[in-house]
Amino acid sequence: DAGVIQSPRHEVTEMGQEVTLRCKPISGHDYLFWYRQTMMRGLELLIYFNNNVPIDDSGMPEDRFSAKMPNASFSTLKIQPSEPRDSAVYFCASSKDRREQFFGPGTRLTVL
Amino acid sequence: RKEVEQDPGPFNVPEGATVAFNCTYSNSASQSFFWYRQDCRKEPKLLMSVYSSGNEDGRFTAQLNRASQYISLLIRDSKLSDSATYLCVVNRGASGGSYIPTFGRGTSLIVHP
Repeated sequence: DAGVIQSPRHEVTEMGQEVTLRCKPISGHDYLFWYRQTMMRGLELLIYFNNNVPIDDSGMPEDRFSAKMPNASFSTLKIQPSEPRDSAVYFCASSKDRREQFFGPGTRLTVL
Repeated sequence: RKEVEQDPGPFNVPEGATVAFNCTYSNSASQSFFWYRQDCRKEPKLLMSVYSSGNEDGRFTAQLNRASQYISLLIRDSKLSDSATYLCVVNRGASGGSYIPTFGRGTSLIVHP
């Protein structure tokens, strides 16, 4: 199995631009999670899906952030407009039932 | 009080030492528990699940104390390769039968020669 796939691995953009992060979970997994990790705040859960349905988005910082999961094999996290304080590593993870989460390699986002 | 708390460390120990980390959680309804390991600039990876009866995997032992609401990780005979950040994860039930995972901030371990 290829594991969780994220793209891009690195993204550098300017403030005000739209950023789209992509994730392909492990086949057969029914949970998908989006996290953000910074030195200041650690690993924060932004939103998660169960069977493609968003369950809890209380961790999404503000309306500039949105996430979709149109099917079981693809999810996006969008930031529009981006701000320097959004700079972080964004991880996608998937799991089956309530078992261990498998993380993707992350997207390192820098907003200038 | 934070939902999941860990001592950030760093714990600086010599090779061969035994080291233990604790992780406290505030929600008594928490259902499942895990330890993850994260190497520098890498993604977190599962180290081990934590079962009510305690469990061991080689040099690693995990325990759960529901009464005091903490989990622990013991590493025996530390290796240089054990140097990493160790994250605890606590899952609590949520609506519709789903669950919400919460990660601790992690404890940094440095094993030196």
